[in-house]
This record gives sequence, structure tokens and C-alpha cells, in this order.
Amino acid sequence: AQSVTQPDIHITVSEGASLELRCNYSYGATPYLFWYVQSPGQGLQLLLKYFSGDTLVQGIKGFEAEFKRSQSSFNLRKPSVHWSDAAEYFCAVEGRTDKLIFGTGTRLQVFP
Amino acid sequence: EAGVTQFPSHSVIEKGQTVTLRCDPISGHDNLYWYRRVMGKEIKFLLHFVKESKQDESGMPNNRFLAERTGGTYSTLKVQPAELEDSGVYFCASSGTTYHFGPGTRLTVL
Repeated sequence: AQSVTQPDIHITVSEGASLELRCNYSYGATPYLFWYVQSPGQGLQLLLKYFSGDTLVQGIKGFEAEFKRSQSSFNLRKPSVHWSDAAEYFCAVEGRTDKLIFGTGTRLQVFP
Repeated sequence: EAGVTQFPSHSVIEKGQTVTLRCDPISGHDNLYWYRRVMGKEIKFLLHFVKESKQDESGMPNNRFLAERTGGTYSTLKVQPAELEDSGVYFCASSGTTYHFGPGTRLTVL
């Protein structure tokens, strides 16, 4: 069955520190992978996506993610976190019939 | 370009009442999706419209949920009668080639 696992429910980092959010997926074919962010009171905003090609994907707001087929992972990274990055982050894989399968989300807290 | 809009942003109702959520997709988007997030759990697919037709409704939890898409434009999701476990955030999304999500409707059933 298709599934996405985000093992970290809550992460706290200091402003300026590096960040890595983990995502593992289970999908039989070549996956289409996404990272979304939801800030308080906002909808889901697409940070980046992977369909094919270069396994290191650049996104908005300075985020990047690396697709590793051997590890079934698509971890999200940022070299230096800003206070405005505090939000909830969702990893997703696109299943059959275009529907998205999401992980449970990781809530990021940033301390000054 | 206006984004996906949802109404209301919040709704608080009592168990047994009826609630209707509305979604206005981006103009010209044939695909419209409903998703739901129950507190603490993942965002789950409910259904997918292509224009006015239901392409996939495999995620609809039970027959208390009814979704419609009038003329292939806006969509409504009615819950009748609402139960406590229906509380959560209901997201709508539309797509041409890329998903665009609305801000969600937070439903609380007391």
C-alpha cells in the first residue's frame, strides 16, 4: 500500500541553525514527491516537488530536498532557519488517479 | 489570479446538525479535490471531481457526506447529520497541472 511516514512529530531549532525534516515513502512505481508547508491560518503551500531527473530539488524559501530511491526517502533541508519558517510541514506522494497521500506532518518551532 | 477559496473558515455545530462547506476553485481548473485532516492525523483524500463528474470518491467516509460540483465550477460538501468524529480541517484543492490548496474550513462538532 502507498504510504508516507514523517517520523518526527515536533522539531525545535534555534534561528540560524540547519534543519532536516525526514520523510519516507512506500510506493511501487517511480514516485512523484512533494513537500508542503502550512503556516497558521494559511492553506497548504507547495515548497517543492520531485518528478524525475536531478535527485536534489530546489524549492522556494531556500528549501531543498533530496530523493534517495535506495532509502525510499525525500528529506527536506534548509541550511539556516528563519523565525518565519515556524509552521507545519507535510510530505506527500502522488498516488494513482492524481490523489495525494500525505504524512502526518512535522511541526517546526523556531527559537530566537 | 485568485486562489482557491473556501467558506466558511470556521464552523461550530452540534452533533446531529447539518453543515455545508463550499469551495471555489481557480477559474478554468477542471480538477477539484476535497481532503480532510482529523486532529493529529494525516491529511486524507476524500474525493476528486473532473468538471462536474466524480472521478474518485473512494475516500468519502460514509453516506453522511455528500459532495456536489454544480456546472463544473464551485463545489459543496455537506455533512448530514454531523458526528463528533467529523471534526477536523477540510481542504479543497484545484489543479490544472499543479495542485493549489485553499485555506481550509475548520469544522468543530460538539
